[in-house]
This record gives sequence, structure tokens and C-alpha cells, in this order.
Amino acid sequence: AQSVTQLGSHVSVSEGALVLLRCNYSSSVPPYLFWYVQYPNQGLQLLLKYTSAATLVKGINGFEAEFKKSETSFHLTKPSAHMSDAAEYFCAVSEDTGGFKTIFGAGTRLFVKA
Amino acid sequence: ETGVTQSPTHLIKTRGQQVTLRCSSQSGHNTVSWYQQALGQGPQFIFQYYREEENGRGNFPPRFSGLQFPNYSSELNVNALELDDSALYLCASSLEPGIATNEKLFFGSGTQLSVL
Repeated sequence: AQSVTQLGSHVSVSEGALVLLRCNYSSSVPPYLFWYVQYPNQGLQLLLKYTSAATLVKGINGFEAEFKKSETSFHLTKPSAHMSDAAEYFCAVSEDTGGFKTIFGAGTRLFVKA
Repeated sequence: ETGVTQSPTHLIKTRGQQVTLRCSSQSGHNTVSWYQQALGQGPQFIFQYYREEENGRGNFPPRFSGLQFPNYSSELNVNALELDDSALYLCASSLEPGIATNEKLFFGSGTQLSVL
């Protein structure tokens, strides 16, 4: 069975500071891993996706994530936070089984202070 | 703009009632997945439909059912509503089931259901 754990339900950073959102996964098969962002009253938007190609994945809005199999982690980073980054972020894992479903973590709310 | 629309945006029902939520997928997307997102939680997979047939189901009771139509629209039906069914319901469309290199889910903005 697959699962996702996001460490920290809330993270607060200052504008211009490094953003680090942590995600650990559990999967019995090589996983596909995702980060999604959700702004208030909106659906989820894909930030980036790992599909067993490069372990360092670059996404939209300056975000990137590194797949570390030995640590079963897929942490999301951004070198310099912007006020517009304030949102809810979800890490997710999926298997390409044909009966496709995505398992989401509980989410991390990012606050950006001026 | 994802091209996926959901209606209504908000809905209030009472316990025991039935509800139908609607989703219009991107044109050409044969797959639709439905998720329940409770307050403060991540989305939970309800089920997926591919070419008008159920293609996978999460841990939800049979009173949660769905339909997918040839015109890229779909419905989520919930019977005998319970208070715990209060949540944001999201639909997401994609071209095909499974993950291809360039595949991803396109989410709608959701329907906020409140059960009183």
C-alpha cells in the first residue's frame, strides 16, 4: 500500500527566504511522485512530477524537488519565497497500474511574511 | 484555467438526502477521477471512470456512485447523506488512466458540500 507523510501542517517563511516543504512516501513499487498547490477556493494545480527520469525535478514558479530513494523522500524547495507562494501544498504518490489513483498527503500550509 | 468545470460551486443538504455533483472535463479527456477533500485534509480518491466505466475505487461505501457520459461530462451521486460527507468534492480529468511521461490530472475548482 502506498502512503504519503508531509512533515509540518504549517510552515512560515519570510519573503526572500528558502522554502522547504518535506514529504516522505511509502510505496511497494517504483513510485510516481507529485507536488500540487491549492490556492483558496480553487482546485489543485500541478507544480511538478517525478516519473523515474532525472531525480531533480524542476517545476513551475521556481519550485523544484529531489527524489531520494534511500530516504524515501521528495522534498519541495524554492530558493526565494514570494508573497504569491502562500498556499496549501500537497505531496502525492501514484502507481501506474491502469487502475490509476493518486494518494495525497494531508497538506502543508505555507505562510510568507513580508 | 484547467478547462475542467464543476457545478454547483456550493451546496447545502440535510442528512439523509441525496445529491448529484457535476463535472465537465476537458474535451478529449477520457478519464475522470473524483476526490473528497475534508477540511484540513488532502484529497481522498473516491473512484475513477474511463470510457464510461468505473476503473478503480477507493475506500468509499456504495452510496457513492458515479456516471460518465460520452460528451466528457460526469456525475458524482451520494445517497443517504451523512454529516461526515461535508467536504470539497474535486473532479480531475486526464487523457488516459495510468501515468505517462506527459500525463497529468487537470482539476476543477470543486463543489463545497455542506450536510446539516
